[in-house]
Amino acid sequence: SQQGEEDPQALSIQEGENATMNCSYKTSINNLQWYRQNSGRGLVHLILIRSNEREKHSGRLRVTLDTSKKSSSLLITASRAADTASYFCATDKRGGGSYQLTFGKGTKLSVIP
Amino acid sequence: DTEVTQTPKHLVMGMTNKKSLKCEQHMGHRAMYWYKQKAKKPPELMFVYSYEKLSINESVPSRFSPECPNSSLLNLHLHALQPEDSALYLCASSQIGQDYEQYFGPGTRLTVT
Repeated sequence: SQQGEEDPQALSIQEGENATMNCSYKTSINNLQWYRQNSGRGLVHLILIRSNEREKHSGRLRVTLDTSKKSSSLLITASRAADTASYFCATDKRGGGSYQLTFGKGTKLSVIP
Repeated sequence: DTEVTQTPKHLVMGMTNKKSLKCEQHMGHRAMYWYKQKAKKPPELMFVYSYEKLSINESVPSRFSPECPNSSLLNLHLHALQPEDSALYLCASSQIGQDYEQYFGPGTRLTVT
């Protein structure tokens, strides 16, 4: 079964707007990661947040983690058409060999020029 | 070099064929992974190799046979596949341990006829 559940499943915004995606998970984690996938291609790692961190920034990306609610959010600011992709959260299960990722269902983001 | 390469990019095979998917990385990563991804679904973990030894097999049917000949190469041997095995097969690699991201290849688009 999938560990993460993204919300919303699809999001359409105008270029320049901010995009927020949410992820919920069920069990204790070592870290939570966000990946981007352009249509039919491989995944690209965006950002990793450890279980003892609450917020992390990387360029136009901001990730938050609330372990008490077992949820995370990814904010993309000043979106561009090139940000159009599917975004997946992935959790690394605590005590699960440390390198087994389970991916959520993903959010499909469309940025309209 | 932060690239994971996969060959072939596309593969069409009949149910009686035997074929192999190949994956290569030169980042010195000692963990390598095979994922299966159906359309509009997240990647699902199939196998994990660590230090060239199979460490995780997610109850994958025996018609999929992984092989890790050395620390840079990962193969997936295919035999007697079913049409429902048609999917994007992704290879990934990472360092071993906690809090490392995975690097993905572009995938092999497999169609079983």
